[in-house]
Amino acid sequence: DAGVIQSPRHEVTEMGQEVTLRCKPISGHNSLFWYRQTMMRGLELLIYFNNNVPIDDSGMPEDRFSAKMPNASFSTLKIQPSEPRDSAVYFCASSLKGGQGYGYTFGSGTRLTVV
Amino acid sequence: GNSVTQMEGPVTLSEEAFLTINCTYTATGYPSLFWYVQYPGEGLQLLLKATKADDKGSNKGFEATYRKETTSFHLEKGSVQVSDSAVYFCAPEGGGAGNMLTFGGGTRLMVKP
Repeated sequence: DAGVIQSPRHEVTEMGQEVTLRCKPISGHNSLFWYRQTMMRGLELLIYFNNNVPIDDSGMPEDRFSAKMPNASFSTLKIQPSEPRDSAVYFCASSLKGGQGYGYTFGSGTRLTVV
Repeated sequence: GNSVTQMEGPVTLSEEAFLTINCTYTATGYPSLFWYVQYPGEGLQLLLKATKADDKGSNKGFEATYRKETTSFHLEKGSVQVSDSAVYFCAPEGGGAGNMLTFGGGTRLMVKP
């Protein structure tokens, strides 16, 4: 298996632009998580899905952030409009819900820079 | 919900030194316990895990023992290498069918030659 695949690896955009981050989870995994990592705040859970349904989005910082999972093999995290304080590394992870002791598999992340 | 306390870093060691990174947690029941490692510029990777009390997880020379009595899962390695320089995260798993992981703040390890 190729693991969790995120794209792009790096994104540089100007303030006010729309940014879309993409994630392909591991085939057969039914839980998907979006995290944000910064030096100041560490690793923050933004939202997670079970069976393509958003379960908890309380970590989404503002209405400018939205996430979708149209099918079991694809998810997007969108920021519109983007702001410099959104600069961070965004990670996607997938897991097998109900599999105790299974853990998460993380993607390599998308480093977002908003200038 | 679960909570995790990890020793704050950075931890700076010389090559071949002994490593301990402390981790204690609060959780309902007896969750599975994980250590993840993040190398520079990469995502988090599963390092080791233990699924029940007194189990010992091990990988790449690292070990951690599930201590139910002290709710701890300390990470140890007998002889660190420069290539072990990374950030280490402790994470208990939620109980029931949730299987959510609660990540600690991470401990940065720097190993000098």
